[in-house]
Formats: sequence, C-alpha cells, structure tokens
Amino acid sequence: GNSVTQMEGPVTLSEEAFLTINCTYTATGYPSLFWYVQYPGEGLQLLLKATKADDKGSNKGFEATYRKETTSFHLEKGSVQVSDSAVYFCALRYSGGSNYKLTFGKGTLLTVNP
Amino acid sequence: EAGVAQSPRYKIIEKRQSVAFWCNPISGHATLYWYQQILGQGPKLLIQFQNNGVVDDSQLPKDRFSAERLKGVDSTLKIQPAKLEDSAVYLCASSPGGWETDTQYFGPGTRLTVL
Repeated sequence: GNSVTQMEGPVTLSEEAFLTINCTYTATGYPSLFWYVQYPGEGLQLLLKATKADDKGSNKGFEATYRKETTSFHLEKGSVQVSDSAVYFCALRYSGGSNYKLTFGKGTLLTVNP
Repeated sequence: EAGVAQSPRYKIIEKRQSVAFWCNPISGHATLYWYQQILGQGPKLLIQFQNNGVVDDSQLPKDRFSAERLKGVDSTLKIQPAKLEDSAVYLCASSPGGWETDTQYFGPGTRLTVL
C-alpha cells in the first residue's frame, strides 16, 4: 500500500540555519506529493505541492522537488526563522479514481531558536 | 473567506460514553473529509464525502463510528461507545471537489480525551 516515511524529529536549529527534512514514499502509480505545516494551536495548512516527477514546489522560501528515481520529496529552506517553528507533514495522494485521500507521514517537529 | 469550522475544540469523556463532532466546510466545497490524528502520528482518513455521498469509508471503524453529511453541507462524526484508543484529534477538511489536484483545507480539529 501507499506510505510515507519522514525524518524523525524533533529538529532544533538556530535562526538563519539551513533546513532539510527528509521524506520518502512508497506508492503505486504516480502520486501527487505535499508538504503540510501545523503551527501551534492551528489546523494543517498546505505549504507546497508537486504533481509530477521533477516538479519543484515552493512557498515562503521552502522548496521540495519530486524525485521519482529516489521516491523522495525532501523539504528545504535556506534560512529558517523563529516563525517557522511548527510540525511539518509530508503526504501523498494516490492518482486514480475519485478517492482523494491524503496519506501522511508521522510529522517532524521543528524548533527554531533566536 | 471563512475557513473550515469545527466544534467543540476540546472534549473529555469517560470510556463507553458517546460523543459527536461537528464540521462546517468552506462554502461551496463539495468534498468533505474526516481524519483521525493520534498523538505522534500523521492524520489518517476515516471517511470522505462527495456532496452527501460516501466515497471512501474503508478505515472507519463502523461498529462504533458513524458519520453523515445531510444536504451535502455540514457533517457530524459520532463515536458510540468510545474506547480509550479513540483519544486523538479529529480533523475535518474540505476541498472544492471533483478534481484530484484540489487543495484540502483543514479545520483546527477537535481534541478528544477518553478516560
């Protein structure tokens, strides 16, 4: 079945450090890939997405590239801020039919210190 | 544009009691989802509605969980009777519907504690 494996957390960085959160997936067919972010006390928000191989999703300085050959979708940011502290979830959506359910990884807690 | 609304935000009950959660999706969104998020895990889909019809309820424990979406707008998720392992955050999401590229918009969730 479809699954997502994320880098275990928590991750603690200083402000302006480089961020990478690893995500790999197992899926049949050609899934769409997503990163969602959950700020403290808030609901999940879509951060970025990619719908086909070699697509790069980007938003708010974050980037992730859909790598079919390595079945990966790693999240990166060149310079993190304190306001980026949140839980980050990698997810996939299987391509096919009318079932649009998201399959999520376990989440990675990021804490950025000033 | 108002987001997905959920209530209550928090609920504490004893095991074997019943509980219900309510979700109001973004206006005009045809597709509605209920996810269960256990502490330390990612959300897991319980049920997906397209308008007022069920698309996928394969992971809904139907012996104790039920959900409905009357008139294709609001939705209610019920647990009867609750077990300790039902302690989780219940997330409602909606999307415009009809296209797999639609973004799912999540509500703030209802945190359920079963004692």
